[in-house]
Amino acid sequence: DTAVSQTPKYLVTQMGNDKSIKCEQNLGHDTMYWYKQDSKKFLKIMFSYNNKELIINETVPNRFSPKSPDKAHLNLHINSLELGDSAVYFCASSQNRRLAGYNEQFFGPGTRLTVL
Amino acid sequence: AQTVTQSQPEMSVQEAETVTLSCTYDTSESDYYLFWYKQPPSRQMILVIRQEAYKQQNATENRFSVNFQKAAKSFSLKISDSQLGDAAMYFCAYRKNYGGSQGNLIFGKGTKLSVKP
Repeated sequence: DTAVSQTPKYLVTQMGNDKSIKCEQNLGHDTMYWYKQDSKKFLKIMFSYNNKELIINETVPNRFSPKSPDKAHLNLHINSLELGDSAVYFCASSQNRRLAGYNEQFFGPGTRLTVL
Repeated sequence: AQTVTQSQPEMSVQEAETVTLSCTYDTSESDYYLFWYKQPPSRQMILVIRQEAYKQQNATENRFSVNFQKAAKSFSLKISDSQLGDAAMYFCAYRKNYGGSQGNLIFGKGTKLSVKP
C-alpha cells in the first residue's frame, strides 16, 4: 500500500548507458515531481508535471527526459549517463488544488543511481 | 528567486537535552509554507513540522516546535528531550502558495544532527 513507489531502489550502471527510473503514486494526485539529491545531500527540484503536462523544468541537461504516461506515473529517462549523474533521485506527488488547506507533498523512497 | 539557508552543517546534542536548528530564507512572497524534513540513514524523507506563513502562532508537534519570525525570515526547529532516533539529516524547506495550489519545495543544504547517549 505504498503511496509513492519508485523502481528500482538501487541502480548501478556504466558511463554512457541509458537508464530509466519509474515512479508511481496511488494517492490520486494530479502533480508529480522529480528531485535530485547530490553527494553533499543537497536536494533540488528537477521537473514537475501537472495532469501529465510539464510545468517545471529546472536547468537540467537534456539527457534527462521525464515521461508521464498518465497522472499516476512519472518516469525519468536518462541518456548517456555520466559520472556526475550519480545521486539519489526522489519522486514526489501532491494534489495541486486547495481542498481543505494545505496539500502535502509525499515522497517516494528514493533511487540511488551509481554511475561507474 | 527564493533561497533557504541552513548555517549549521552539523549539530550534536546529548540524549534528553534540547537542541535548536537554524534556518533563514529569502522571499518576496507573502503566502508560503515552511517545513522541516527529517532524513534518517534509510533516506526516506519524513515531514517533521509545517508552518503556514499567515499564522503567527508557532507550530508544534509533540517534542518538535518552531520559532517562526516572519519579519526576520527566520524559521528554527527546537527538538526537546532528544532521543537517539532523532539522529538524522534535517532539511528546512520553503514552498510557495499560489492561492490554491502549492509549488515545488526549495530546500536548504541540511543539518546533520547527532545524538549522544
